[in-house]
Amino acid sequence: AQRVTQPEKLLSVFKGAPVELKCNYSYSGSPELFWYVQYSRQRLQLLLRHISRESIKGFTADLNKGETSFHLKKPFAQEEDSAMYYCALRADSSYKLIFGSGTRLLVRP
Amino acid sequence: EAQVTQNPRYLITVTGKKLTVTCSQNMNHEYMSWYRQDPGLGLRQIYYSMNVEVTDKGDVPEGYKVSRKEKRNFPLILESPSPNQTSLYFCASSLREDARGTFGYTFGSGTRLTVV
Repeated sequence: AQRVTQPEKLLSVFKGAPVELKCNYSYSGSPELFWYVQYSRQRLQLLLRHISRESIKGFTADLNKGETSFHLKKPFAQEEDSAMYYCALRADSSYKLIFGSGTRLLVRP
Repeated sequence: EAQVTQNPRYLITVTGKKLTVTCSQNMNHEYMSWYRQDPGLGLRQIYYSMNVEVTDKGDVPEGYKVSRKEKRNFPLILESPSPNQTSLYFCASSLREDARGTFGYTFGSGTRLTVV
């Protein structure tokens, strides 16, 4: 079965500390992985996709097929990074995105 | 501006009173979908539509209906709302691939529904 697991409901760090939001997936084929972010009272927005291998707002994520992981990382957290983060999997080039349960990141001053 | 528009943003209703949450997109997207967001459960798909007159159940369809009579609109209907449908609802739309060959959802701004 296709599944996305985000083991941490809440991650609290201090400003300037490194951040790693964990995401593991279960899928036997070749996946596409995404990170979406939801700032307070706003809509979900695409943060980055593994295909693009991009860095957005200082965040990066590397697809590790051996560990079936797509962890989101940032070396120095900022207060404005506080938000809800969702990892998502696209299977079989379909329309459907399967979302994890989300991790709330809280960056303290 | 390319966007997904949901209405209303907030709604408080009573048990059993039929309601409709509207969703409209102006990007000519084939695919549209409804999600509900609950604390600790993340986003769960309610219904989706691959194109006009093509709809299918997601993971939590009970108590909901949808229709797709036009490409741009995908309303969510609660025939007889109950308190367990109190939630934050999101509509999303997508192409299979955009002009750059990439894929991603565009989300609406959400509808917070309270059923008392």
